[in-house]
Amino acid sequence: GQNIDQPTEMTATEGAIVQINCTYQTSGFNGLFWYQQHAGEAPTFLSYNVLDGLEEKGRFSSFLSRSKGYSYLLLKELQMKDSASYLCAVRDSNYQLIWGAGTKLIIKP
Amino acid sequence: ETGVTQTPRHLVMGMTNKKSLKCEQHLGHNAMYWYKQSAKKPLELMFVYNFKEQTENNSVPSRFSPECPNSSHLFLHLHTLQPEDSALYLCASSQGLAGGPSTDTQYFGPGTRLTVL
Repeated sequence: GQNIDQPTEMTATEGAIVQINCTYQTSGFNGLFWYQQHAGEAPTFLSYNVLDGLEEKGRFSSFLSRSKGYSYLLLKELQMKDSASYLCAVRDSNYQLIWGAGTKLIIKP
Repeated sequence: ETGVTQTPRHLVMGMTNKKSLKCEQHLGHNAMYWYKQSAKKPLELMFVYNFKEQTENNSVPSRFSPECPNSSHLFLHLHTLQPEDSALYLCASSQGLAGGPSTDTQYFGPGTRLTVL
């Protein structure tokens, strides 16, 4: 079967750095997405990786290793507003998105 | 209005009621999706429409009935639901289905929080 694993919950301190991991086992691979979802709100697109390596976008970076079936989202200079759930999703060989259950990130002052 | 809108935002219904969820996208996209989001579970894709034609129906019970009259509007008709159907129902749209990231990135509405009593 197809599976996306990410930690259920993480806690970090304001101003620090946090890395949210995502491992996947899918039938084929056509890209990996990260979304942010604040409580009671819509998921919003953060990043897309299809080639190995690091993609940087401001305070957020996303890394992909296709051979390891692994990605991470790196958040720097954490702010209270970064408290949210972070969803990892992989597009399989049929271009269908397979979603992880999300990682709830709690930022403490 | 911009982006993807959904109405109502909250809905409480009995198991014998009939109700409809509405989604509208103002992005000029061609594909629209219905998802179910339950606590601590992955998003479950329910239906996909591309250019008004249904392309995916992921074994969704018949008590959920989608309707896509045009590329901008998507409805989810509900009848004789069960308490386990209580969840957040999210609508999303994308420019396309199987192109690159610029076409396939999905944009979500805020969702309808459904409670079935």
